[in-house]
Amino acid sequence: DAKTTQPNSMESNEEEPVHLPCNHSTISGTDYIHWYRQLPSQGPEYVIHGLTSNVNNRMASLAIAEDRKSSTLILHRATLRDAAVYYCILSIDYGGSQGNLIFGKGTKLSVKP
Amino acid sequence: DAGVIQSPRHEVTEMGQEVTLRCKPISGHDYLFWYRQTMMRGLELLIYFNNNVPIDDSGMPEDRFSAKMPNASFSTLKIQPSEPRDSAVYFCASSFTSGGADTQYFGPGTRLTVL
Repeated sequence: DAKTTQPNSMESNEEEPVHLPCNHSTISGTDYIHWYRQLPSQGPEYVIHGLTSNVNNRMASLAIAEDRKSSTLILHRATLRDAAVYYCILSIDYGGSQGNLIFGKGTKLSVKP
Repeated sequence: DAGVIQSPRHEVTEMGQEVTLRCKPISGHDYLFWYRQTMMRGLELLIYFNNNVPIDDSGMPEDRFSAKMPNASFSTLKIQPSEPRDSAVYFCASSFTSGGADTQYFGPGTRLTVL
């Protein structure tokens, strides 16, 4: 299975942008890049996903490298509520079957007021 | 929509007892997943269902674990007999559509403690 590499932890100041990197050098052409986050004592929560092009939604932006070997989750203005573990995951498409999500250790983001 | 519902939220039991965890997926979702999270191993997929049929149970740790989905709105994960090493947070998730772009919606989890 294709793996992802993320820093164990990052710190940010409140109201500043945060760039969370993810390396996935063994990604295949059909793998989607997903980001989930897990707030303390809660279940994981979907953030954003993409295949080749950059994506934006109300929560964040996803910047995907041209060779797709890396991506960056961008939180435009971090708030204290964004403190969580962020997981970068490759969803493996088994040709029409559900793509399994294999969670790594993620990046623990701390936000300082 | 109420989201994915799990019960109980907390369960404390003694070693050797049977434990049943319950999950109600989001209405209309045709995939259901059971995960386990521990500090040591992180978040692991145990089993998933498509249209109530188990598709991949390779993550189920051993025969003491079993999962069923008798209908589209209910699933159970049973541990019998339970052991202290089963202590973890168990999450249920559901999704719709197929392919690699699916979004999974997770429940709040059941924190299991086996004494």
